[in-house]
Amino acid sequence: EAQVTQNPRYLITVTGKKLTVTCSQNMNHEYMSWYRQDPGLGLRQIYYSMNVEVTDKGDVPEGYKVSRKEKRNFPLILESPSPNQTSLYFCASSPIGALGTEAFFGQGTRLTVV
Amino acid sequence: AQKVTQAQTEISVVEKEDVTLDCVYETRDTTYYLFWYKQPPSGELVFLIRRNSFDEQNEISGRYSWNFQKSTSSFNFTITASQVVDSAVYFCALITGGQKLVFGQGTRLTINP
Repeated sequence: EAQVTQNPRYLITVTGKKLTVTCSQNMNHEYMSWYRQDPGLGLRQIYYSMNVEVTDKGDVPEGYKVSRKEKRNFPLILESPSPNQTSLYFCASSPIGALGTEAFFGQGTRLTVV
Repeated sequence: AQKVTQAQTEISVVEKEDVTLDCVYETRDTTYYLFWYKQPPSGELVFLIRRNSFDEQNEISGRYSWNFQKSTSSFNFTITASQVVDSAVYFCALITGGQKLVFGQGTRLTINP
């Protein structure tokens, strides 16, 4: 089954404690991205990757890091989380080349930073 | 720059009523795609429809229909005879030359029994 898998689904952490949210896709997609969802703001892109070892900032990259060492994995790293990073996070993947191809989303990770 | 506006933050209707969710977009590109996603209370994003900029035909899928009008830069979504299971947050989104989806703010739809 084609899918994007995020872990964990729920996470409560304390300010400053480094954390990683994993994302893995099994569709051999080149393009992967991270979004955060906040009330009244919709989903905003944090970082994206066009392929292995190619990453770039989205609209709200401050406080986040990513890596793309393998095509299937695209972890989101919060080196020193702060309460304003409390949000619902989504990982997405899609193939490159065909404009408008549907993006596949993970189930979401609800992060609370206290 | 691309932008999507969903001016209706929240809508509440009684079951069986028809309801229309508005979506207005901005882009200078002539080739683009528009999407609608549903986010039920469980939180995942469910793809509903994709429409490209060259196809202004309206689409109907069961109780759902979409009205795309380039003249007004709108891509509105209508649910006919709404049901409680339609309660969700609905997002309109736009994609142009790259792969990035630009989302609207979302509309929270509540269908009351």
